Amino acid sequence: QLVLTQPPSASASLGGSVKLTCTLSSDHSDYVISWLQHLPDKGPRFLMRLDGHGTHLKPDGIPDRFSGSSSGADRYLTISSLQPEDEADYYCQSWTADRRFFGGGTKLTVL
Amino acid sequence: EVQLLESGGTLVQSGGSLRLSCTASGFFFSSYSMTWVRQAPGKGLEWVSTIAANGVTTIYGDSVKGRFTISRDNSMNTVFLEMSSLRVDDTAIYYCVKEGGNALQGSGYATLASWGQGSLVTVFS
Repeated sequence: QLVLTQPPSASASLGGSVKLTCTLSSDHSDYVISWLQHLPDKGPRFLMRLDGHGTHLKPDGIPDRFSGSSSGADRYLTISSLQPEDEADYYCQSWTADRRFFGGGTKLTVL
Repeated sequence: EVQLLESGGTLVQSGGSLRLSCTASGFFFSSYSMTWVRQAPGKGLEWVSTIAANGVTTIYGDSVKGRFTISRDNSMNTVFLEMSSLRVDDTAIYYCVKEGGNALQGSGYATLASWGQGSLVTVFS
């Protein structure tokens, strides 16, 4: 079945950039994913939809600092010009016809 | 603006039942699949259940199958999660989510596009 793998933690400096990774299981390497941001005590926020070609579609209101890219089974979320409010948990999400799946999440610390 | 407002979360004894509701506004409710996602204390996000726009097709995560039932009333822009045989490990914040399309009926993507603020369910033994 589809598995999404994320490292549990990442850190980067204020004003810098970070690239978060989500790896799809090998049988699902061409799947579309979503990136979600989850701040404490709030509902998660949808950041973008990202396909295997690196094409990403963001809803209105998501800053240009957030971008997506892909390489094989890996899906990336790059956040540039890091702000204190970017410190959050980041999840990737995907789906099949009969299930929805989440990665384990990456906790981003802004130093 | 999409708004999703969950209600019904409370303290309940193990083995009991509870119904969560989610009232939606700001979009054409009857065109989208709706999903429930939960987060247990200190854990990640877990998919619970999804219902198609027409309310006919439903799918469930393994941990809730046979105990939870999802339904919707398109005339009231509301989706429900009926929970029974509750266990301590069902304790979580339950989020109502609008999907990006109606993938269960073959239309659009199953991105989790808009989220409510969540409703806390606490199950005690």
